[in-house]
Amino acid sequence: DQQVKQNSPSLSVQEGRISILNCDYTNSMFDYFLWYKKYPAEGPTFLISISSIKDKNEDGRFTVFLNKSAKHLSLHIVPSQPGDSAVYFCAASPTQGGSEKLVFGKGTKLTVNP
Amino acid sequence: SAVISQKPSRDICQRGTSLTIQCQVDSQVTMMFWYRQQPGQSLTLIATANQGSEATYESGFVIDKFPISRPNLTFSTLTVSNMSPEDSSIYLCSVDGRRVLFNEQFFGPGTRLTVL
Repeated sequence: DQQVKQNSPSLSVQEGRISILNCDYTNSMFDYFLWYKKYPAEGPTFLISISSIKDKNEDGRFTVFLNKSAKHLSLHIVPSQPGDSAVYFCAASPTQGGSEKLVFGKGTKLTVNP
Repeated sequence: SAVISQKPSRDICQRGTSLTIQCQVDSQVTMMFWYRQQPGQSLTLIATANQGSEATYESGFVIDKFPISRPNLTFSTLTVSNMSPEDSSIYLCSVDGRRVLFNEQFFGPGTRLTVL
């Protein structure tokens, strides 16, 4: 039973346009959500996070939106750049602390075309 | 952030053998985690390793199959024992972040294991 779902295995966008990656979760105990980016042959790199007390968090070109009632979050990248091409993982945790385990989705492979 | 290295980066092993993966961190950390990513799947937590205590294993993972050592605050090993082709995965270690609030985990580059 997957608690964190990324239903789109892949996404392709043009450079300069917006990329929107979606994530749904089922466990109402999740309180903290993270996005990781992974390049081939590298480990996941932390990108941005959001606590359940907020509905939006922005960091440069990256914005994460959280709709707690719908148990849905999304990552917006604007403008998209070819270097953003990677696999993006959504993760959730029951607390804000790093000592709690993270539950990951299967990832969405983003391709940004020049 | 923490700098994490893993050895080996990849290996091809025969069925029935064991492989020990090393994880080294450039600073002292309390918690270290071991994850597995099977092909096409999400990252799944195998166990949490604290220095000086037994590792805590997640449902579906047992110590006999995945023994873990945590001899100090900068190092841990994961052994994949009696391997079968189903153990072919990327194995990643991670550590907890050092910030007081909104902590994230930092990951090593991973070990790509293929079992024949």
